[in-house]
Amino acid sequence: GAGVSQSPSNKVTEKGKDVELRCDPISGHTALYWYRQSLGQGLEFLIYFQGNSAPDKSGLPSDRFSAERTGGSVSTLTIQRTQQEDSAVYLCASTFQGYNGYTFGSGTRLTVV
Amino acid sequence: KQEVTQIPAALSVPEGENLVLNCSFTDSAIYNLQWFRQDPGKGLTSLLLIQSSQREQTSGRLNASLDKSSGRSTLYIAASQPGDSATYLCAFYSSNTGKLIFGQGTTLQVKP
Repeated sequence: GAGVSQSPSNKVTEKGKDVELRCDPISGHTALYWYRQSLGQGLEFLIYFQGNSAPDKSGLPSDRFSAERTGGSVSTLTIQRTQQEDSAVYLCASTFQGYNGYTFGSGTRLTVV
Repeated sequence: KQEVTQIPAALSVPEGENLVLNCSFTDSAIYNLQWFRQDPGKGLTSLLLIQSSQREQTSGRLNASLDKSSGRSTLYIAASQPGDSATYLCAFYSSNTGKLIFGQGTTLQVKP
């Protein structure tokens, strides 16, 4: 596609429920990144994929968070048993090789009530 | 630990002023540096990308410079306009970690 697409744009969920966030990167981009931005905070790295593999999962806050990427394209970030502190904007970015810059999606605003 | 520091954290100026936003970093293995703009409640829009072999990039009223030896980048905005009001983030791609490392941002308000 022309840009990075994220869905849903907004998600309100009850505490304890599971949620799935989707990222559709730019066609041909090999690397895909997930970041989290809490209210008034900077961007927190979560995980990145090179192809379908995830060389660096160090940013995932807990084992309730997981992500996968299939076919070198779409990625889903799953949060199990959501907590209120999971409320944030989740941003996805893709790049061809890193040296030609990153393109970000518009984000998914997650609110856990 | 790689760190990116942006100064100032917030800036308020009258319309028409020229201004400079600063970004400093500690990782010497910087591959490139990118400046982004973020409007409230929105995603990130890329403004300028500077490769490590370059010293500056220009787009319209924006000019970004990179000095690897001193670990600094600046974003210069000429003749600021109220529409420039946003948060500006710098981020560098580290060949050590393969990650894009972000600063905390500078929130700019340009008053009419």
